[in-house]
Amino acid sequence: GDSVTQMEGPVTLSEEAFLTINCTYTATGYPSLFWYVQYPGEGLQLLLKATKADDKGSNKGFEATYRKETTSFHLEKGSVQVSDSAVYFCALRANAGGTSYGKLTFGQGTILTVHP
Amino acid sequence: GAVVSQHPSRVICKSGTSVKIECRSLDFQATTMFWYRQFPKQSLMLMATSNEGSKATYEQGVEKDKFLINHASLTLSTLTVTSAHPEDSSFYICSGQPGPYEQYFGPGTRLTVT
Repeated sequence: GDSVTQMEGPVTLSEEAFLTINCTYTATGYPSLFWYVQYPGEGLQLLLKATKADDKGSNKGFEATYRKETTSFHLEKGSVQVSDSAVYFCALRANAGGTSYGKLTFGQGTILTVHP
Repeated sequence: GAVVSQHPSRVICKSGTSVKIECRSLDFQATTMFWYRQFPKQSLMLMATSNEGSKATYEQGVEKDKFLINHASLTLSTLTVTSAHPEDSSFYICSGQPGPYEQYFGPGTRLTVT
């Protein structure tokens, strides 16, 4: 079945440091890929997405590129802020036509803490 | 836009009782709603998928008689945990999907069974 693997956390960085959170996936066909962020005490918010190979999703300074050849969707940000401290989830959604279409499969989440 | 609310945000109940959690899409019609369970420091696990007006589809290993889901309208789905036990304590999150687009997540409900 479909699966998503994220780098284990927690990740602790100083403000303005470069961030990379690795994400790789296993899926049949061509899934859509997502990064969600969960701030303390809140629900998940969509951070960015990519729906086909070589697409780059970006939002709030975060970027991730859909790499089909390496089945990866690594999250990056050039300069993190304290306000970026949260849990980040990589997820995939199966492609249309399958019985699991619409369902999201999540990675285990990576806790990011940014210190001033 | 695309706001999903959950009520209550936090509930404590005694073992053996039932508790209902509501999930509402406030500014869109959710043809499909999903219910997830999140254990501490772990990922979200999909419990069931519900479509308005039809029976929910449960994931393997999820007891449908224990976790009753009713998708009564295009803006409301409820999850009832029946005969709750301490092992049911968890963070329950719903999401709404207005057609084949992104899911919009609620803020979650923290259930504690004593």
